[in-house]
Amino acid sequence: DAKTTQPPSMDCAEGRAANLPCNHSTISGNEYVYWYRQIHSQGPQYIIHGLKNNETNEMASLIITEDRKSSTLILPHATLRDTAVYYCIVRVVSAGGTSYGKLTFGQGTILTVHP
Amino acid sequence: DAGVIQSPRHEVTEMGQEVTLRCKPISGHNSLFWYRQTMMRGLELLIYFNNNVPIDDSGMPEDRFSAKMPNASFSTLKIQPSEPRDSAVYFCASSLVRVGGGYTFGSGTRLTVV
Repeated sequence: DAKTTQPPSMDCAEGRAANLPCNHSTISGNEYVYWYRQIHSQGPQYIIHGLKNNETNEMASLIITEDRKSSTLILPHATLRDTAVYYCIVRVVSAGGTSYGKLTFGQGTILTVHP
Repeated sequence: DAGVIQSPRHEVTEMGQEVTLRCKPISGHNSLFWYRQTMMRGLELLIYFNNNVPIDDSGMPEDRFSAKMPNASFSTLKIQPSEPRDSAVYFCASSLVRVGGGYTFGSGTRLTVV
């Protein structure tokens, strides 16, 4: 699976948008971008994923550049409860979705949301 | 849906003892994963199952570790004999193999070997 690069830490003010970058310059055509987060002492939580189009759900938005070499996770209105480690992961998915590569976690970005 | 259920939440044991961690995946999910998390090494995938069959156990650190999935609703991770360096939080996760299937993680078992 392609390797990802994330900043080790970021800060954000409560109520503002948190924009978390991820570089995956060696991503392959059959690799999806996944985002998970881990709040202290809990198991990781799935946030969102995408292939090449921008995606949005109730938790966040995912913006993937046209060349797919980088992406940004956007939390539109960060709250104190969004303080967590955020992991960007690229994962192989076969055509038709019949098989999946492993989810391999890196070090992630520690996001701290301040009052 | 109760989510992925792991037991026990905490386990303290003496070096050399056998430890068994348990996991009940989400009903209907057909893949199950065991991860270990430490400060030094982060989250490491130990083994995963598809339809109760072990697919990749390359992350299992050594022969002291073994995992089983006798049916679709139960899995165990066993360490025998345990050592202090096995101290970590062990997470179980399950997913449904389909396009975009994300993993659902349990709350973890914090293992301390003294």
